[in-house]
Amino acid sequence: RKEVEQDPGPFNVPEGATVAFNCTYSNSASQSFFWYRQDCRKEPKLLMSVYSSGNEDGRFTAQLNRASQYISLLIRDSKLSDSATYLCVVRLSGGSYIPTFGRGTSLIVHP
Amino acid sequence: DAGITQSPRHKVTETGTPVTLRCHQTENHRYMYWYRQDPGHGLRLIHYSYGVKDTDKGEVSDGYSVSRSKTEDFLLTLESATSSQTSVYFCAISESTSPAFFGQGTRLTVV
Repeated sequence: RKEVEQDPGPFNVPEGATVAFNCTYSNSASQSFFWYRQDCRKEPKLLMSVYSSGNEDGRFTAQLNRASQYISLLIRDSKLSDSATYLCVVRLSGGSYIPTFGRGTSLIVHP
Repeated sequence: DAGITQSPRHKVTETGTPVTLRCHQTENHRYMYWYRQDPGHGLRLIHYSYGVKDTDKGEVSDGYSVSRSKTEDFLLTLESATSSQTSVYFCAISESTSPAFFGQGTRLTVV
């Protein structure tokens, strides 16, 4: 079982739609959680950190459920420019703080 | 954007030749990582470093070695390149309390 699992999609949605992605992780000692965005043939870029109480950044909302070991990303009012792959990342506390990546969820927003 | 550069950005090499990829940072971050990204596999950790001269293996380290003689430089060497090492290679940096930031990647083709 992979440490971080995501539905690869693609999620194909119209502009203006609300879309949600989930990600599950297997190591209960995971302490830090992030969502990254990756455009085709580019490097992953941090979208947002995920905090225990949940957090929002504009149209993006991230939530963490430690009991069930999953994190989620909600995108409201989707834009064409949101089309990308979204990567879920978890890190353990201590050691070398290695970021472990899910394989990503592909989002396609169409007119 | 974090100060992290990878070189070269593109390289074509022949099977059996040694290849060295360079990751250079200006952020003075302690942790540095090399990943490879392939379709269907996502980002996989090759090697990482937790300080000068302190390195360790990731999940796909066979055929690769690394060196970190200075805080700012982390080198990845393919000792004898094989076609299975054709991939996109990403370097990342972080501190214990920060997310990881990525270089722009190196596209390596082994023919």
